[in-house]
Amino acid sequence: ELKVEQNPLFLSMQEGKNYTIYCNYSTTSDRLYWYRQDPGKSLESLFVLLSNGAVKQEGRLMASLDTKARLSTLHITAAVHDLSATYFCAVGVPFFNTGTASKLTFGTGTRLQVTL
Amino acid sequence: KAGVTQTPRYLIKTRGQQVTLSCSPISGHRSVSWYQQTPGQGLQFLFEYFSETQRNKGNFPGRFSGRQFSNSRSEMNVSTLELGDSALYLCASSKPEEKLFFGSGTQLSVL
Repeated sequence: ELKVEQNPLFLSMQEGKNYTIYCNYSTTSDRLYWYRQDPGKSLESLFVLLSNGAVKQEGRLMASLDTKARLSTLHITAAVHDLSATYFCAVGVPFFNTGTASKLTFGTGTRLQVTL
Repeated sequence: KAGVTQTPRYLIKTRGQQVTLSCSPISGHRSVSWYQQTPGQGLQFLFEYFSETQRNKGNFPGRFSGRQFSNSRSEMNVSTLELGDSALYLCASSKPEEKLFFGSGTQLSVL
């Protein structure tokens, strides 16, 4: 059974600081997703990583994927208060030969709190 | 363009009742999947439909069922509700190889 572990579970950081969230998964997959969730809201897609070595950046967030190590990271640069949210990584399981990730297994989430 | 639409937004039911949740995917998206989110278990996959066929199913009891219509709209049904079914139910739609877009969810409370 695929397991996805995130750490840390909770992260309190000051504005302007850098930090990294880690996502480890237990079986081979080349489909890794990062989502953001604000309290009481739905999931917002941040990144889709589809190959080993993939790196994507959007604003102060950068995600990378190492399929050999079964590890993805979400790096936060110079955090701002607006980044406070819960961040989830999710691993996609392809459906047979279609290549479509029809089932996502989510990590436990990292609750990020950026303080002024 | 319009996002994934889920109705109702909130629902209160009592134990033993049944409930039907609705999801309208983004236009052009043929894949619809459902997830349950609870504080204790986190986000768990329920099932996924593509072209009216269930392609994948999570580890949930048979009380949880779903279907997809020819216009890609999907419904999820939970029969004989239990207290533990209280959760946020999220629907997501996608195109192949693309990210999932999630709806706002239906918050179900079972009393």
